[in-house]
Amino acid sequence: GQQLNQSPQSMFIQEGEDVSMNCTSSSIFNTWLWYKQDPGEGPVLLIALYKAGELTSNGRLTAQFGITRKDSFLNISASIPSDVGIYFCAGQSPNDYKLSFGAGTTVTVRA
Amino acid sequence: NAGVTQTPKFQVLKTGQSMTLQCAQDMNHEYMSWYRQDPGMGLRLIHYSVGAGITDQGEVPNGYNVSRSTTEDFPLRLLSAAPSQTSVYFCASSLTHRVVEQFFGPGTRLTVL
Repeated sequence: GQQLNQSPQSMFIQEGEDVSMNCTSSSIFNTWLWYKQDPGEGPVLLIALYKAGELTSNGRLTAQFGITRKDSFLNISASIPSDVGIYFCAGQSPNDYKLSFGAGTTVTVRA
Repeated sequence: NAGVTQTPKFQVLKTGQSMTLQCAQDMNHEYMSWYRQDPGMGLRLIHYSVGAGITDQGEVPNGYNVSRSTTEDFPLRLLSAAPSQTSVYFCASSLTHRVVEQFFGPGTRLTVL
């Protein structure tokens, strides 16, 4: 699969803060996805992006599909304790429709 | 509608033992896949299936076999477990291989001693 670089690897945030994470690739993707994984559970889809430049929100989450089709970012506004978890980006290759995943950003919230 | 289910939740094996990880979905999805998750790495695709009777290799297929005799079930077999196969395994499904939104099961945590 393609190599995705996700950063930061981990973050400690204060409740109420806005946070941002991003994902970059050396190859273009035709779809970007953001998943969240809670401890002991499987990843759950948060946001899907289908077009370069697209900006999509899901509650306090906002994600954008980069213009170059090689990057995406996810913002979480006004963090709350249940935002704790691991956030993964994933990109779908236009060649074989397979998903490649980033290594994840671990988010810990200080109450 | 249970979604994607996986059994067992936890498993400990000795080197050389065999076992099957079960995966089932009740959403009539054509596409099913198996991933492994290791610390510091993203999910890596082991095997996938675009429909009953069709399977193909992913990024890390060595040491694993799959079959897809029905739309609902997609078991993953370890024929001779090795410590390098210690990992968390996730099964996922989507409507078709072109539909990117995949639904994941809760995972199986496997330890090979």
